[in-house]
Amino acid sequence: GEDVEQSLFLSVREGDSSVINCTYTDSSSTYLYWYKQEPGAGLQLLTYIFSNMDMKQDQRLTVLLNKKDKHLSLRIADTQTGDSAIYFCAESVVYQKVTFGTGTKLQVIP
Amino acid sequence: NAGVTQTPKFQVLKTGQSMTLQCAQDMNHEYMSWYRQDPGMGLRLIHYSVGAGITDQGEVPNGYNVSRSTTEDFPLRLLSAAPSQTSVYFCASKGTGDSYNEQFFGPGTRLTVL
Repeated sequence: GEDVEQSLFLSVREGDSSVINCTYTDSSSTYLYWYKQEPGAGLQLLTYIFSNMDMKQDQRLTVLLNKKDKHLSLRIADTQTGDSAIYFCAESVVYQKVTFGTGTKLQVIP
Repeated sequence: NAGVTQTPKFQVLKTGQSMTLQCAQDMNHEYMSWYRQDPGMGLRLIHYSVGAGITDQGEVPNGYNVSRSTTEDFPLRLLSAAPSQTSVYFCASKGTGDSYNEQFFGPGTRLTVL
């Protein structure tokens, strides 16, 4: 079955880069996602990557996908206090259910 | 568009009580799902539906029922509440027409079972 794992906590200083890692098990995953959850709110899609891509860049966000190792990472450049949140990695096969990881709580220290 | 709406926002129940968490979306999405979020465990899928009249179990379905009589609504019923069901519940929907199937989440229902 599907399984998505993440470390639970990451602390960085404001202005540094943050790297959040994720591993998944389903080799048939078509899309991989990063969602952000701010306190007291639902999840919002930050970015996604199709499984035939290695990298995707979107402003301060860089997603790297190593399909051989089933490893996904999210890099946030110039991390700001507003980036403090829980970040969820997720995977899906097209039109099928989405499986979420445990979430990584990012704390940004001013 | 209101997106995905959930009611109530907060609820306190006694053990053994039953209740229904409401979820509605106005985006004509075929796929809807219910998750529960517990500290250190991320989001776990309870039930999902790929269209009106079709539902299926997720990872943690025990103690919950769902139905999907319309495209818009996907209520979650707790049959006999237990303290282990204390959690934050999120409803989500996604279309099947776009290429990357973004899920849209409701604001959540915080449930406490005493």
